Amino acid sequence: QVQLVESGGGLVKPGGSLRLSCAASGFTFSDYYMSWIRQAPGKGLEWVSYITSSGSTMYYADSVKGRFTISRDNAKNSLYLQMNSLRAEDTAVYYCARTKYSSAPQFDYWGQGTLVTVSS
Amino acid sequence: DIQMTQSPSSLSASVGDRVTITCRASQSISNYLNWYQQKPGKAPKLLIYAASSLQSGVPSRFSGSGSGTDFTLTIGSLHPEDFAIYHCQQSYSTPLTFGGGTKVEIK
Repeated sequence: QVQLVESGGGLVKPGGSLRLSCAASGFTFSDYYMSWIRQAPGKGLEWVSYITSSGSTMYYADSVKGRFTISRDNAKNSLYLQMNSLRAEDTAVYYCARTKYSSAPQFDYWGQGTLVTVSS
Repeated sequence: DIQMTQSPSSLSASVGDRVTITCRASQSISNYLNWYQQKPGKAPKLLIYAASSLQSGVPSRFSGSGSGTDFTLTIGSLHPEDFAIYHCQQSYSTPLTFGGGTKVEIK
């Protein structure tokens, strides 16, 4: 069965960096786009970024562009999110999601999430 | 950016009720609209994609309709496990955007 397991969250000071990982299993990872979506405490969902199956193209929300970098290693069935210059407003649970792309992207499987807290 | 507006933001309903949630896009998104269910402390789950297609394994009491700017998620007969937050999401263009969510509570 499809499994996505995020790791790497934690407490970081404003201006700091963190790298999130997502380990995928139960499907052919290299066949799928992958995404990061976040949810601030008590708030709605916010799409952060997605990457194509080959890793050749990435898209970002304006709120993270220039600070966050999505990447993947298809040999390791892993997705990453490098987060730099972190701000208090980046505090959220970060989910990785398998992204089915028939005519448009849908997040068809999600991990359990990893909490990132940005605070001094 | 395409803004997604859900209504109501919350509702109270009883087991067995028919429930309708609306999602409106700030511009036409054709049928590029997905619905998710999220229970407390859990990740969202895809229910409906492309406005009206039922995701595999999702009960048939869930249905979606609409195109252009106005969309609806209907739960035909509310079950106890359906009390949750429902989110719509447009996949017409980046940035991909979500509605604010609708919380379905027990009356």
